Amino acid sequence: AQSVAQPEDQVNVAEGNPLTVKCTYSVSGNPYLFWYVQYPNRGLQFLLKYITGDNLVKGSYGFEAEFNKSQTSFHLKKPSALVSDSALYFCAVRIYNQGGKLIFGQGTELSVKP
Amino acid sequence: SQTIHQWPATLVQPVGSPLSLECTVEGTSNPNLYWYRQAAGRGLQLLFYSVGIGQISSEVPQNLSASRPQDRQFILSSKKLLLSDSGFYLCAWSAPAEGSPLHFGNGTRLTVT
Repeated sequence: AQSVAQPEDQVNVAEGNPLTVKCTYSVSGNPYLFWYVQYPNRGLQFLLKYITGDNLVKGSYGFEAEFNKSQTSFHLKKPSALVSDSALYFCAVRIYNQGGKLIFGQGTELSVKP
Repeated sequence: SQTIHQWPATLVQPVGSPLSLECTVEGTSNPNLYWYRQAAGRGLQLLFYSVGIGQISSEVPQNLSASRPQDRQFILSSKKLLLSDSGFYLCAWSAPAEGSPLHFGNGTRLTVT
């Protein structure tokens, strides 16, 4: 079965410090990986994706993610966290033989304190 | 540019009443369309997806149904709501091409009382 796991329910970071939100995946074939952010009572916003090519992917709002095939990971990173980055983050894998649906991890709550 | 509209934003319905949530997409044609439900502010569960008019795939057996009467319109329905149907419902669209992200609407908060 194809799945995504986010091992941390919550990540706490001080403003200005680097942040990492972890994601591991289990898929057959080449993975199509995505990160989304959700603010309270809002829909999900697309941050970045990995399809092929460079293992370091850059996205919106200064976020980037590192694809590691040997560790089956796709961790989200940002060099310097902002209080406004506090939100719920989801990692997802896209399944193309099933209508292109996204399978999501359980989400990680990021809290950035001033 | 493409936009997705989802309404209503909030809805309070009694148990046993019908439900109709609507989602429309503008600025694209032949999108893939999806309905997700988010319970307890976390896990996202795919309910239905559609790759074309009249083509609906159901992921989870339940008392909900979906229809796609037009290319860019996706409707989520129920004949009789249950308490367990409460949640945050999200519509999304994507281009069919591989690598295209899903784009989500702002969601409908449904409370069944």
